[in-house]
Amino acid sequence: AQKVTQAQTEISVVEKEDVTLDCVYETRDTTYYLFWYKQPPSGELVFLIRRNSFDEQNEISGRYSWNFQKSTSSFNFTITASQVVDSAVYFCALKTTSGTYKYIFGTGTRLKVLA
Amino acid sequence: DVKVTQSSRYLVKRTGEKVFLECVQDMDHENMFWYRQDPGLGLRLIYFSYDVKMKEKGDIPEGYSVSREKKERFSLILESASTNQTSMYLCASSLPVDSGNTIYFGEGSWLTVV
Repeated sequence: AQKVTQAQTEISVVEKEDVTLDCVYETRDTTYYLFWYKQPPSGELVFLIRRNSFDEQNEISGRYSWNFQKSTSSFNFTITASQVVDSAVYFCALKTTSGTYKYIFGTGTRLKVLA
Repeated sequence: DVKVTQSSRYLVKRTGEKVFLECVQDMDHENMFWYRQDPGLGLRLIYFSYDVKMKEKGDIPEGYSVSREKKERFSLILESASTNQTSMYLCASSLPVDSGNTIYFGEGSWLTVV
């Protein structure tokens, strides 16, 4: 079975704090892809990152960084020095190559950054 | 940049009405999707289309149908709207899914059925 778990339903932080959003996935496939999306109040899901299962290098993009660990089946997302504009719902997603067209989404984590 | 455009951002319809939600993408993507998003349930796939006139049912197809007559356009149809279809609907598109290509979303359509 394939599954994505985002155990944190909602997180509140004060501006400039660092925050980590957790994502744990389940799959038996050896080739798969992981994604993070941001959904601001306007509604559109904005693509943030795509990572394949063979690339465990951590990635940093400005204040955003991602930690991919196959050993723990996790793909966590950290925002450094959070800002009010980071307030949004963040979704983690999984896509395998086992013939299915389905992308498996987590239920999302709502991040509130307080000024 | 990929652009997925949903024609209506906010709609209010009456129970029993036929509702059309339109979606257009400008990147010549083969695949298009319709999702429904509800609080606490995340995104649930309604229908998927991998080519013109081709479709696959997703996880919650009941009460919905789709149409894809042109590659760039994918329509979601509620034949007889009901109050439990009040939700946010998201359209998306991608290159072939076998390679785990990124799916790109539109801005969403907020539908209220009264």
